[in-house]
Amino acid sequence: DADVTQTPRNRITKTGKRIMLECSQTKGHDRMYWYRQDPGLGLRLIYYSFDVKDINKGEISDGYSVSRQAQAKFSLSLESAIPNQTALYFCATSDLHTGLNTGELFFGEGSRLTVL
Amino acid sequence: AQSVAQPEDQVNVAEGNPLTVKCTYSVSGNPYLFWYVQYPNRGLQFLLKYITGDNLVKGSYGFEAEFNKSQTSFHLKKPSALVSDSALYFCAVRDSGHNTDKLIFGTGTRLQVFP
Repeated sequence: DADVTQTPRNRITKTGKRIMLECSQTKGHDRMYWYRQDPGLGLRLIYYSFDVKDINKGEISDGYSVSRQAQAKFSLSLESAIPNQTALYFCATSDLHTGLNTGELFFGEGSRLTVL
Repeated sequence: AQSVAQPEDQVNVAEGNPLTVKCTYSVSGNPYLFWYVQYPNRGLQFLLKYITGDNLVKGSYGFEAEFNKSQTSFHLKKPSALVSDSALYFCAVRDSGHNTDKLIFGTGTRLQVFP
């Protein structure tokens, strides 16, 4: 089983619909991240969380919200999806407490979202 | 602000030839630099990192990267390319400080290795 699991892997929806992408991890890491990947733009950070009480906006948080339900779960919501939110979304984790923490991220397999 | 740049959208190389994928960085302070690889329909996988020490860093799958402070570069290299190395490669820099800790990614370089 994957250490970082994203659901759904693929989703097609219509403009104006509410969408939730879920991420769960078994790595026991404190930090979790949501990135968005678009061709030619690389990965851009949407939100990140250092623990269940800490949520931080990334560079492109407008139109998105997140919830850290537990240490192992971090969900991303689009309250009212629009076509330019069509992208590949990645969840990632990182471990704060190891003595060798160097910021390395561990990624899920991605969730491809299409908004029509 | 921390940033990285990957000047090439695509790199083409013949199998067996050496390959280089370029990355330059802009940071305040000491850089923490990373390379990740993305195979089709997969998430990103960590290849290697530079934190401190030897300027030549060795990583997974025979890849290495050379940290050059004077040129602010961190190019990814491999002595002999394989067709299976064809993938999308991302350079990244750590941006950390008070209440923040994240990786900033470049736009990616697609490596195509031809038989």
